[in-house]
Amino acid sequence: KAGVTQTPRYLIKTRGQQVTLSCSPISGHRSVSWYQQTPGQGLQFLFEYFSETQRNKGNFPGRFSGRQFSNSRSEMNVSTLELGDSALYLCASSDGRVNTIYFGEGSWLTVV
Amino acid sequence: DAKTTQPNSMESNEEEPVHLPCNHSTISGTDYIHWYRQLPSQGPEYVIHGLTSNVNNRMASLAIAEDRKSSTLILHRATLRDAAVYYCIPSGGGADGLTFGKGTHLIIQP
Repeated sequence: KAGVTQTPRYLIKTRGQQVTLSCSPISGHRSVSWYQQTPGQGLQFLFEYFSETQRNKGNFPGRFSGRQFSNSRSEMNVSTLELGDSALYLCASSDGRVNTIYFGEGSWLTVV
Repeated sequence: DAKTTQPNSMESNEEEPVHLPCNHSTISGTDYIHWYRQLPSQGPEYVIHGLTSNVNNRMASLAIAEDRKSSTLILHRATLRDAAVYYCIPSGGGADGLTFGKGTHLIIQP
């Protein structure tokens, strides 16, 4: 079974630009969640989608948004990029029930 | 979210058992105890989870205290590949995001 796939793996953006990251969950998984990992703040929950609906959201500004498509694939968007948005962005999928989420390898974003 | 306390780092020798402790004294009655690990330059990887009774899988064992205020992840025979940061996370799952603490950095000596 293919794992969680994230694209692109690496990208460099300039301050003020926007970025869209993509995530393909494990086949059959309907829940997709996103996390940000930085050296200073560690791993932080961004939001979770299930069947195209956002069910939960972490404590991030409105510049961070996401969506989920009918095939469960998900995208997250960060607008008006700031230097502090440089991070590893991780996508995880699950069947939406209690336990066991599976992470992708992440997208490394550098904002210059 | 339940607060967890884990040692910052632990060191063990290859092929020896490793016991990674976690205190979660404020865990709610319905929260599962999840363990994830993160190898360098990779996303976190699910290790094991449990609710009340001890659990075993091919990767590890999870021993949960009777009062559920603490748990121990047991790697029966550590290998160099087990060197990672290990996170203990109480969570109800579903829409709840996982709250990662700083975890325990496990160092394995050959």
